[in-house]
Amino acid sequence: DTAVSQTPKYLVTQMGNDKSIKCEQNLGHDTMYWYKQDSKKFLKIMFSYNNKELIINETVPNRFSPKSPDKAHLNLHINSLELGDSAVYFCASRGDLSDEQYFGPGTRLTVT
Amino acid sequence: QKEVEQNSGPLSVPEGAIASLNCTYSDRGSQSFFWYRQYSGKSPELIMFIYSNGDKEDGRFTAQLNKASQYVSLLIRDSQPSDSATYLCAVRDDKLIFGTGTRLQVFP
Repeated sequence: DTAVSQTPKYLVTQMGNDKSIKCEQNLGHDTMYWYKQDSKKFLKIMFSYNNKELIINETVPNRFSPKSPDKAHLNLHINSLELGDSAVYFCASRGDLSDEQYFGPGTRLTVT
Repeated sequence: QKEVEQNSGPLSVPEGAIASLNCTYSDRGSQSFFWYRQYSGKSPELIMFIYSNGDKEDGRFTAQLNKASQYVSLLIRDSQPSDSATYLCAVRDDKLIFGTGTRLQVFP
């Protein structure tokens, strides 16, 4: 019974390609997030959605486009991938009455 | 730019000792503070949160907050090799701002 799931777990692709990462949570949470963790383990928020509405959009290149078809899903599409996009991308969710964020297992993206 | 700073470590402690992990933050108005543990290759998991000045204990873990000094720490008593991980401090305003983490190594 995975609470926050992501697919794929690993993604290896070439520069210039377009790829998507999917996230689903079965916790009934209203808020979902995308984080990027770089090679130095620095974890930084990219986007936050509450009940399908974008509420946080950090300084992220517009090649990154999140999409939330419903409050249980938050997908991340990346266009024209660059070497610097190589990182682990974590999805997370949080209930409105709690500060605790639950993280998915991560997607390790490698751009060659 | 709001910042959260941690010593990257590694912090090496013997089994059974107390591990002390420290974190400072730049925004004096911050109200919510979190410690996440991240094992290598895994996702972060919340182990403690603290909102008020003073100590908060949960099992072998104690979080300490000093808002005047903009300082939050995590003490792990009776450290075990299974505690070896990276510990991420995070501060919340409208979003979580993470520190770069401190790698803890507990050796037998």
